Amino acid sequence: AQSVTQLGSHVSVSEGALVLLRCNYSSSVPPYLFWYVQYPNQGLQLLLKYTSAATLVKGINDFEAEFKKSETSFHLTKPSAHMSDAAEYFCAVSRATGGFKTIFGAGTRLFVKA
Amino acid sequence: DTAVSQTPKYLVTQMGNDKSIKCEQNLGHDTMYWYKQDSKKFLKIMFSYNNKELIINETVPNRFSPKSPDKAHLNLHINSLELGDSAVYFCASSHQDRNTEAFFGQGTRLTVV
Repeated sequence: AQSVTQLGSHVSVSEGALVLLRCNYSSSVPPYLFWYVQYPNQGLQLLLKYTSAATLVKGINDFEAEFKKSETSFHLTKPSAHMSDAAEYFCAVSRATGGFKTIFGAGTRLFVKA
Repeated sequence: DTAVSQTPKYLVTQMGNDKSIKCEQNLGHDTMYWYKQDSKKFLKIMFSYNNKELIINETVPNRFSPKSPDKAHLNLHINSLELGDSAVYFCASSHQDRNTEAFFGQGTRLTVV
């Protein structure tokens, strides 16, 4: 079975500081991994995705994530946090068996302090 | 030019009522989903349809019945609403390939009183 675990339900950073949101996955087959962002009262938007083309994936708004097979991790980073980055972030993995669906982690709420 | 649209955005209803949520996508995707997001923001898939056929039916009470009249529409009908059904319901769509992301609607906040 595939799953993702997001470490830390809440992360707080100061504006301008590094953002690091952690995600570990479990998969018996090469995974396809995603990071989504959810702003208040909105749906989810894709930040970036890993589909085996490159281990370092760049996304929108200067976010990036690195796929590390040895650590089964796909952590999300951003060099400098903006107030507008405050949101809920979801790591997700897709699987093929039993139909195509995306399994989401529990989410990490990012707070950005002025 | 909304990609995935759901109606209504808010729904307040009494216990025991029956209600429907509609979803439409104009992205040409062949797969559509319903997700439930609870008060702790946890997202759980409920149903998945591919080319109008049900692929995934997670452990969902049979009071919930999805209907896909065509590839661009996936509606959710809920019978005999219960307090525990209060949540935000998201419709999403994607191409069948597993490496393509899902596009989400804005959500329907259902409150059962």
